Amino acid sequence: NAGVTQTPKFRILKIGQSMTLQCTQDMNHNYMYWYRQDPGMGLKLIYYSVGAGITDKGEVPNGYNVSRSTTEDFPLRLELAAPSQTSVYFCATRTGTVNQPQHFGDGTRLSIL
Amino acid sequence: AQSVTQLDSHVSVSEGTPVLLRCNYSSSYSPSLFWYVQHPNKGLQLLLKYTSAATLVKGINGFEAEFKKSETSFHLTKPSAHMSDAAEYFCVVSYTGRRALTFGSGTRLQVQP
Repeated sequence: NAGVTQTPKFRILKIGQSMTLQCTQDMNHNYMYWYRQDPGMGLKLIYYSVGAGITDKGEVPNGYNVSRSTTEDFPLRLELAAPSQTSVYFCATRTGTVNQPQHFGDGTRLSIL
Repeated sequence: AQSVTQLDSHVSVSEGTPVLLRCNYSSSYSPSLFWYVQHPNKGLQLLLKYTSAATLVKGINGFEAEFKKSETSFHLTKPSAHMSDAAEYFCVVSYTGRRALTFGSGTRLQVQP
């Protein structure tokens, strides 16, 4: 079982560059989430989606964009990379049943220099 | 605002001794509570969950947690620590009606030989 797959695992960007972090799942979960984790901190929600074609902002959406054209994929786009976006990014999914746990990918470690 | 507080940022125990990781949450009518573990360079793995059934919840790898409504606590325990338990642990709350989770800031568990 692949579960939640994130690519790439590591990336270094220059300031002002753009990139897309990929997240794909094979669990047929409706809900998908993007979090960022800064050193010594818990996770903060960037964006989430409750199904294909539906996305919404989380706590820290500035500087990011998302799309959800299929149930399986939920890419996160950084348009103009800034040093403040250096972080570890996690994608997560869960079923539509209320209060069920989320399932996480292994993360993408992004450094912006 | 809903919140989760992990009372210790760092806990150090000797192998074979008990583990106690403390978590308090802000009160809500029906929260669901989770403990996740994160090993280095890995995503978050679910240890256990409380969803209004038994107040003592057993999880994987010998961990358990007790939900105490009167104290708004959900502390994580294990009778005997193993070296492989060294990791970051997150207490996480899901409040009814909210689509996203609320994360604590994490507790780093160190296990000494």
